[in-house]
Amino acid sequence: EADIYQTPRYLVIGTGKKITLECSQTMGHDKMYWYQQDPGMELHLIHYSYGVNSTEKGDLSSESTVSRIRTEHFPLTLESARPSHTSQYLCASSDLSSYNSPLHFGNGTRLTVT
Amino acid sequence: AQSVTQLGSHVSVSEGALVLLRCNYSSSVPPYLFWYVQYPNQGLQLLLKYTTGATLVKGINGFEAEFKKSETSFHLTKPSAHMSDAAEYFCAVNADTGRRALTFGSGTRLQVQP
Repeated sequence: EADIYQTPRYLVIGTGKKITLECSQTMGHDKMYWYQQDPGMELHLIHYSYGVNSTEKGDLSSESTVSRIRTEHFPLTLESARPSHTSQYLCASSDLSSYNSPLHFGNGTRLTVT
Repeated sequence: AQSVTQLGSHVSVSEGALVLLRCNYSSSVPPYLFWYVQYPNQGLQLLLKYTTGATLVKGINGFEAEFKKSETSFHLTKPSAHMSDAAEYFCAVNADTGRRALTFGSGTRLQVQP
């Protein structure tokens, strides 16, 4: 049973639309992440957060933005969706207290931009 | 800098046969290593992790992995494959203690033939 929730699971949207992918976790984790997963499976870190009001860009440049107003909530926003944004987006969280804490993943949002 | 290389994007085995999925890492500091599994249309689930201590790590579903520092490897094995093992498998490393974000390999798709 997932303790980290992503909505929607699937989203098909037209070019130019603004979208927000939701991510919430109930574990009280300080650290949260967004990964983009290519069709060929590889995962790339696009955003992460150490806690409330903390956000950082990851390894892969992304036109998306994130916010962290509450510990449990880490939404990702695309102001103007394009076909190149078509991908699967995975949200994750971890306990900040230990370096070897594993990541807990949500089930992902599969985004298709037409 | 840290990186992970998974040899073989696709591995096919017969039911009951040995499963061997290869992972090599690069890290300038002692790494923390993880294996995750991803079933279709789901997020990633932790199989096992290596932090310090015993180099042979046992995980869920009968999987285990051995950390070999001299070979910079962390290969995943299971003595006898089951049909339910068919999934995507990702090796990941966390050697960046400042950022504490995982770097993932490109994944290996395991197929189990009846």
